Amino acid sequence: GAVVSQHPSRVICKSGTSVKIECRSLDFQATTMFWYRQFPKQSLMLMATSNEGSKATYEQGVEKDKFLINHASLTLSTLTVTSAHPEDSSFYICSTMTVNEQFFGPGTRLTVL
Amino acid sequence: QKEVEQNSGPLSVPEGAIASLNCTYSDRGSQSFFWYRQYSGKSPELIMFIYSNGDKEDGRFTAQLNKASQYVSLLIRDSQPSDSATYLCAVNRKSSGNTGKLIFGQGTTLQVKP
Repeated sequence: GAVVSQHPSRVICKSGTSVKIECRSLDFQATTMFWYRQFPKQSLMLMATSNEGSKATYEQGVEKDKFLINHASLTLSTLTVTSAHPEDSSFYICSTMTVNEQFFGPGTRLTVL
Repeated sequence: QKEVEQNSGPLSVPEGAIASLNCTYSDRGSQSFFWYRQYSGKSPELIMFIYSNGDKEDGRFTAQLNKASQYVSLLIRDSQPSDSATYLCAVNRKSSGNTGKLIFGQGTTLQVKP
């Protein structure tokens, strides 16, 4: 399957700062990447679909101005959480898709103090 | 009604037994179905997928799909303590303009006791 990396794996920041999370497809050119968020004891919730060379598609209820997504190349998508607040603390996971399967990155644990 | 529903559990089985995990979905347009395993603090890893009605076997795992009943299940034979994890059911609706969008259930926690 596809190999996906994320950086950083863990980040702690102060309220009001912005945090950038990188998602890389290491062995596969990904025209589409997905960004998920998972709160403790809850399932994965799709935040947005990242499309190489075009604007991301956001799910209902996800603020596009707060969660900035850039997919500038076939191997890299970034998610920037702007002006992060404690309620944004969560596990952020990206994935890439081959023909019919999605492969997930290892996730980024964000803690906003 | 949630689009994808699972019993959150925990489901507890003894080592060596068969664990049966169930999932129902609401959208009849759903086309493909996935089972992921997620260990605490880790991201999900794909166990298997199924598209057609019936059974699909892969080692100790068997996925069963019944589209008429909108039901998909995962059987784990000879359960091992290392199988203890949360199992996520995911459905691909291929909604318009968004190929590959997965909708996840809340997951079932499985505990395999030695």
